[in-house]
Amino acid sequence: DAKTTQPPSMDCAEGRAANLPCNHSTISGNEYVYWYRQIHSQGPQYIIHGLKNNETNEMASLIITEDRKSSTLILPHATLRDTAVYYCIVRVVPHNNDMRFGAGTRLTVKP
Amino acid sequence: DTGVSQDPRHKITKRGQNVTFRCDPISEHNRLYWYRQTLGQGPEFLTYFQNEAQLEKSRLLSDRFSAERPKGSFSTLEIQRTEQGDSAMYLCASSRQGLSGTQYFGPGTRLTVL
Repeated sequence: DAKTTQPPSMDCAEGRAANLPCNHSTISGNEYVYWYRQIHSQGPQYIIHGLKNNETNEMASLIITEDRKSSTLILPHATLRDTAVYYCIVRVVPHNNDMRFGAGTRLTVKP
Repeated sequence: DTGVSQDPRHKITKRGQNVTFRCDPISEHNRLYWYRQTLGQGPEFLTYFQNEAQLEKSRLLSDRFSAERPKGSFSTLEIQRTEQGDSAMYLCASSRQGLSGTQYFGPGTRLTVL
């Protein structure tokens, strides 16, 4: 699996958009980009995934650059409950069965 | 969907004791995964089942660890002769087979070995 690089921490004001970057410069053509988050002492929560097109669901939007070497997770209107560690993972689906989590980005939403 | 459930949520044990954790996956998911997470780190893959078959094991899964999924539904993870280094959160996830492959996690079992 390709390795990902994320900033260790970010702050965001409540009600503003949170933009979380992820670099995956060695991504292969058949690797998907997945985002999970983990609120303190809970299991990771699936947010969104994509291959090359931008994706949107009720939680977030995923923007993948044309060369697929980086992506951005967007939480459009961050709330205090969005404070969590956000993990960006690349994996081949369905062949790779494990997911390689890095250290993630600790997002703190401030009032 | 009822989500993935794990039991117990917390376990405190003394070094040298055996412990067993249970995971109940989402009912229509035939794949089940175990991960371990230590403080400040992301989860690390331990093992994976497709139905009742254990298909993959990480080198992290020492011979003191054993996992089963006897009927392809719930799974158990046993740690024998626990050590203080086994203290961690043990996470279970499940997924459907196929192109989706999205893994959904349970709340985890926090193990503390004294």
